[in-house]
Amino acid sequence: DGGITQSPKYLFRKEGQNVTLSCEQNLNHDAMYWYRQDPGQGLRLIYYSQIVNDFQKGDIAEGYSVSREKKESFPLTVTSAQKNPTAFYLCASRWRGTGGEKLFFGSGTQLSVL
Amino acid sequence: GQQLNQSPQSMFIQEGEDVSMNCTSSSIFNTWLWYKQEPGEGPVLLIALYKAGELTSNGRLTAQFGITRKDSFLNISASIPSDVGIYFCAGQQGKTSYDKVIFGPGTSLSVIP
Repeated sequence: DGGITQSPKYLFRKEGQNVTLSCEQNLNHDAMYWYRQDPGQGLRLIYYSQIVNDFQKGDIAEGYSVSREKKESFPLTVTSAQKNPTAFYLCASRWRGTGGEKLFFGSGTQLSVL
Repeated sequence: GQQLNQSPQSMFIQEGEDVSMNCTSSSIFNTWLWYKQEPGEGPVLLIALYKAGELTSNGRLTAQFGITRKDSFLNISASIPSDVGIYFCAGQQGKTSYDKVIFGPGTSLSVIP
């Protein structure tokens, strides 16, 4: 089945530790995105990538890093510099059709601090 | 930065009732997307709108692209318990992948059986 796979579903981080969230898509989409969602809030853009080996900061990039070495993969690293990392992280990819574009999401990773 | 406002913030309705919610902005958008999110899951795309005045249905859901291009509306007819969730609108001002998609804060829907 085609789709976006995020792993793990739940992740725990110790203070001072870097953790990496995985996002893989087999939809052949060029653009991929990482969003952060806090309880009761909307989605805020962390990083996005239009093509392989290229990515741009979103609205809340501080304390995060990404890479895009393959079209299918866009991992997000939450570094120790991110002082409030507890949140629900969502990965998305973008489809372009004749009418316009659509954003499709994975099932998310819940990150908590121990 | 650009913001989207959604109203109402939350709704509690009886099963079988119709639901209306909207999304507004002070800026013009060229694309409106409506999503539903259930607890612990990613948002699922319900309807995409690309032209002012466009009216699109998906089963019991109907969404409209406002003619001013600054708003969009989502209606759910004959609500059922599985409609429970948070409904997000999202808008894009441009037409390319370089134009950011902006999300509203969501409308939380509860359906009482």
